[in-house]
Amino acid sequence: DGGITQSPKYLFRKEGQNVTLSCEQNLNHDAMYWYRQDPGQGLRLIYYSQIVNDFQKGDIAEGYSVSREKKESFPLTVTSAQKNPTAFYLCASSSGTGNENIQYFGAGTRLSVL
Amino acid sequence: GNSVTQMEGPVTLSEEAFLTINCTYTATGYPSLFWYVQYPGEGLQLLLKATKADDKGSNKGFEATYRKETTSFHLEKGSVQVSDSAVYFCALKGYSSASKIIFGSGTRLSIRP
Repeated sequence: DGGITQSPKYLFRKEGQNVTLSCEQNLNHDAMYWYRQDPGQGLRLIYYSQIVNDFQKGDIAEGYSVSREKKESFPLTVTSAQKNPTAFYLCASSSGTGNENIQYFGAGTRLSVL
Repeated sequence: GNSVTQMEGPVTLSEEAFLTINCTYTATGYPSLFWYVQYPGEGLQLLLKATKADDKGSNKGFEATYRKETTSFHLEKGSVQVSDSAVYFCALKGYSSASKIIFGSGTRLSIRP
């Protein structure tokens, strides 16, 4: 089945630790996105990538890093510089063309601080 | 810049009640408009969309009409079910291919049996 796979489903981070969230898609989409969702709030864009080996900061990129070495993969690293990392993280992809640009989402990773 | 404002929740209704969730937008040009739904513990799924004025998007009994004169895209359903309990997000994408999708803050809907 085509879709977006995020792993792990739950992740715990210790103080001063970097953690990496995985996002893989087999939809052959060019564009991929990372969002952060806090309780009772909407989605905030962290980083996005419209093509392999290129990515741009979103609205809240500080404390996060990404890479896009392969079309199907867009891992997000939450660094120790992110002081409030507890949130639900959502990865999405889209064909990246036209003004319809429907985004398809993974099931999310819930990150908590120990 | 582009923005989306949607009705604050939570919204609680009885089964078979009529549902309206309001959404208004600000954008230049002719954006595309979307409603996404998020069931508990899951990611978002596209519910319906409309790409030009007066278009009506529909899916699973839900409808929304793109009203350019009132810059609105209200979500409606004639008879809700318990299984419709979820968070609903209104979203907008500008006309330019470089435009990002802007999401509203979400409206939590709970349906009582």
